[in-house]
Amino acid sequence: AQRVTQPEKLLSVFKGAPVELKCNYSYSGSPELFWYVQYSRQRLQLLLRHISRESIKGFTADLNKGETSFHLKKPFAQEEDSAMYYCALSGGAGNMLTFGGGTRLMVKP
Amino acid sequence: GAVVSQHPSWVICKSGTSVKIECRSLDFQATTMFWYRQFPKQSLMLMATSNEGSKATYEQGVEKDKFLINHASLTLSTLTVTSAHPEDSSFYICSARGPGVSGANVLTFGAGSRLTVL
Repeated sequence: AQRVTQPEKLLSVFKGAPVELKCNYSYSGSPELFWYVQYSRQRLQLLLRHISRESIKGFTADLNKGETSFHLKKPFAQEEDSAMYYCALSGGAGNMLTFGGGTRLMVKP
Repeated sequence: GAVVSQHPSWVICKSGTSVKIECRSLDFQATTMFWYRQFPKQSLMLMATSNEGSKATYEQGVEKDKFLINHASLTLSTLTVTSAHPEDSSFYICSARGPGVSGANVLTFGAGSRLTVL
């Protein structure tokens, strides 16, 4: 079975502060990990995926197989980063995507 | 980029009626679509996987006779909530896998459909 855990429901930081949204997963094989973001009144959209190894909007995430984590990080948070963030796991092409419970990020001015 | 359209975006109906929600991939073919349900301030809960030309695969605890899914073409999947009751009120979101091989494991989401059953 595959499981994704986001331990924080809410994360509040000040503008310019570093931010880290935690994600831990449980999966017996080689997972593919994603971060999806939902801004206010917008649809859910892909932020980044671990196989791309890229930085999107200043966010990065590294897959740590030893710790089974895929934490999302940004060195300097911006107010426009305020949104709901979901970590998701897939067991491979054709497999379903399992979402974590989501973390609401609030960036205060 | 890839776009998934959902219709209607909001529907209000009386208890006992059936409501159909459409999910369309606008500029790509989607052999697989997914239907999720989202309660306020909660995460997405996968209801079923919709496969073009075959029966949908329902997650445990989801009544297939209650939530009818039809994936009649490569660009359209429909979710029909039959004999809706107030407890069915929720936000229903569809997503499609793709497009293309490189996007085969990436989901494109619709904007969601809010169902309110009176």
